Amino acid sequence: AQKVTQAQTEISVVEKEDVTLDCVYETRDTTYYLFWYKQPPSGELVFLIRRNSFDEQNEISGRYSWNFQKSTSSFNFTITASQVVDSAVYFCALREETSGSRLTFGEGTQLTVNP
Amino acid sequence: DSGVTQTPKHLITATGQRVTLRCSPRSGDLSVYWYQQSLDQGLQFLIQYYNGEERAKGNILERFSAQQFPDLHSELNLSSLELGDSALYFCASSSRDFSYNEQFFGPGTRLTVL
Repeated sequence: AQKVTQAQTEISVVEKEDVTLDCVYETRDTTYYLFWYKQPPSGELVFLIRRNSFDEQNEISGRYSWNFQKSTSSFNFTITASQVVDSAVYFCALREETSGSRLTFGEGTQLTVNP
Repeated sequence: DSGVTQTPKHLITATGQRVTLRCSPRSGDLSVYWYQQSLDQGLQFLIQYYNGEERAKGNILERFSAQQFPDLHSELNLSSLELGDSALYFCASSSRDFSYNEQFFGPGTRLTVL
């Protein structure tokens, strides 16, 4: 069965520090999709990135970067030079080809960036 | 702003009551998904509709039901409410029913059952 584990419940950093949020997933499918969402204090869920299982190329978008490693079933998210506005709960999610359209979410990591 | 709208934003009601949550997907999106976020269960998939038809069911209680109307908006009906139903209910939409499509979430409806 599919499962997503975000072992870090809470992380607290000082502004300008780099921070990596871990995500480990379990699936029996060979085709699957991984996502990261951000939930700021206002509560909405904001889509950040999608990665499919055939594409292990890392991606960088501004201060955000993602490292996908199938060998370790991990899809980690790094924020470089963190800012106070990055404070939020970050969710990793998995969608399997054979499980329809449902997203399976991890428990989330609460990131607090202190000034 | 994701383009997905949900009403109401907040809802406070009593045990045993019935409520209806409403969702309008992004323009052009045919799929609508409902998720529940609670402290003890986390974010859980409830149900999906695609172009008016039920497509997938998750951990949705029998007391809960949903539908998608011809104009593609969706409603989630929660009945015989219990204290444990207090949660943030999200609606999401995507353009197609493909696994790789990202889902865009609405702002959520916070339900409090007293």
